[in-house]
Amino acid sequence: EVQLVESGGGLVQPGGSLRLSCAASGFTFSSYWMHWVRQAPGKGLVWVSRINSDGSSTSYADSVKGRFTISRDNAKNTLYLQMNSLRAEDTAVYYCARDLSLRWHFDYWGQGTLVTVSS
Amino acid sequence: QSALTQPASVSGSPGQSITISCTGTSSDVGSYNLVSWYQQHPGKAPKLMIYEVSKRPSGVSNRFSGSKSGNTASLTISGLQAEDEADYYCCSYAGSSTPVVFGGGTKLTVL
Repeated sequence: EVQLVESGGGLVQPGGSLRLSCAASGFTFSSYWMHWVRQAPGKGLVWVSRINSDGSSTSYADSVKGRFTISRDNAKNTLYLQMNSLRAEDTAVYYCARDLSLRWHFDYWGQGTLVTVSS
Repeated sequence: QSALTQPASVSGSPGQSITISCTGTSSDVGSYNLVSWYQQHPGKAPKLMIYEVSKRPSGVSNRFSGSKSGNTASLTISGLQAEDEADYYCCSYAGSSTPVVFGGGTKLTVL
């Protein structure tokens, strides 16, 4: 069974940093692209970032470019999102999601982890 | 890249059919057959319902179908059931600079 379990969320002050993790199991993690998608409270889904299967290629939404870094450790079956210079507007539930066959579709999602940026 | 445009809400009675539209541009929906639809119940993670415009993942009911015409994609749910009440989001690939855009979401109410 495919499982994605996010962790690392919490309360952080504006300008602070946080690293999210996503532990994957039930599939060959190293064969799949992975994504982060976020959802502000009461709002819609917003794509954040993508990493290819070996970590050599990444993409970011303009709103996080230069502040967030996606990475992965295929030996540990874990996806990461390093978030720096956090702003109030980064407050959201962050989901990791698996890419369906390099098609920019998300076939499995984690349960999400809440990041709150507030003083 | 602007979000795709969806109606804020739609409703229907059990057994009826409804259609949710998703309007993009020639840079996203109109250019790629990489439109997907997600169902999200309150407090839950999204679930993939349709991918590549009209394909259903294994386990998704055939009451759900997708289509596209020009810059507009559509999700149709036939034989509405109470458990279909949820938020629905469309999503499209939009090219290499900002690869993914979502719609604002549509709240489906089953009357």
